[in-house]
Amino acid sequence: QKEVEQNSGPLSVPEGAIASLNCTYSDRGSQSFFWYRQYSGKSPELIMFIYSNGDKEDGRFTAQLNKASQYVSLLIRDSQPSDSATYLCAVNSRSNDYKLSFGAGTTVTVRA
Amino acid sequence: GAVVSQHPSWVICKSGTSVKIECRSLDFQATTMFWYRQFPKQSLMLMATSNEGSKATYEQGVEKDKFLINHASLTLSTLTVTSAHPEDSSFYICSAPVGVGTDTQYFGPGTRLTVL
Repeated sequence: QKEVEQNSGPLSVPEGAIASLNCTYSDRGSQSFFWYRQYSGKSPELIMFIYSNGDKEDGRFTAQLNKASQYVSLLIRDSQPSDSATYLCAVNSRSNDYKLSFGAGTTVTVRA
Repeated sequence: GAVVSQHPSWVICKSGTSVKIECRSLDFQATTMFWYRQFPKQSLMLMATSNEGSKATYEQGVEKDKFLINHASLTLSTLTVTSAHPEDSSFYICSAPVGVGTDTQYFGPGTRLTVL
């Protein structure tokens, strides 16, 4: 079982719609959860981090964490063409010396 | 946000030569930096953890004699790909956690290495 799994995608949504990205992780001791956005040919850019169960909102982005279900998600509201990118879920756990474990990524395309 | 820089942004070299990539934290000190490699259409793979003042720790399967890491100061880590071969062609990215005791990592812009 992979440490971090994401819905495979690609995900295509119309402009203005909500894009929903899902991520599950295997290490129950994981403590920190991150969403990175990566444009083609570029390095990852941190867009959200969440540590506690529940929702965290930042602008058009909302991260949701459920530690009991070992599940973290990212919602992108009012999707824009500029949101078209690959979104990487990353998980950090004390048992792994605080190294980030990355999912394979979900590619999102926002159709104008 | 915190800024991490890398140099060069891209490099082309001949097979058998060595290439050095620099990673700098520009407005904060980083006792730890991470080096990743990313092949096309794949996710990031952690290669090694660079530790200021001590040896780097390498992930399983990464040859420490081929990928030399030196964390020269609190703001600089270097990765040297020795005797590069075409299969080493990849996107190399460093990251650094910001602040003591934090695990939020910021990535450098990456270095694209092409070995002919």
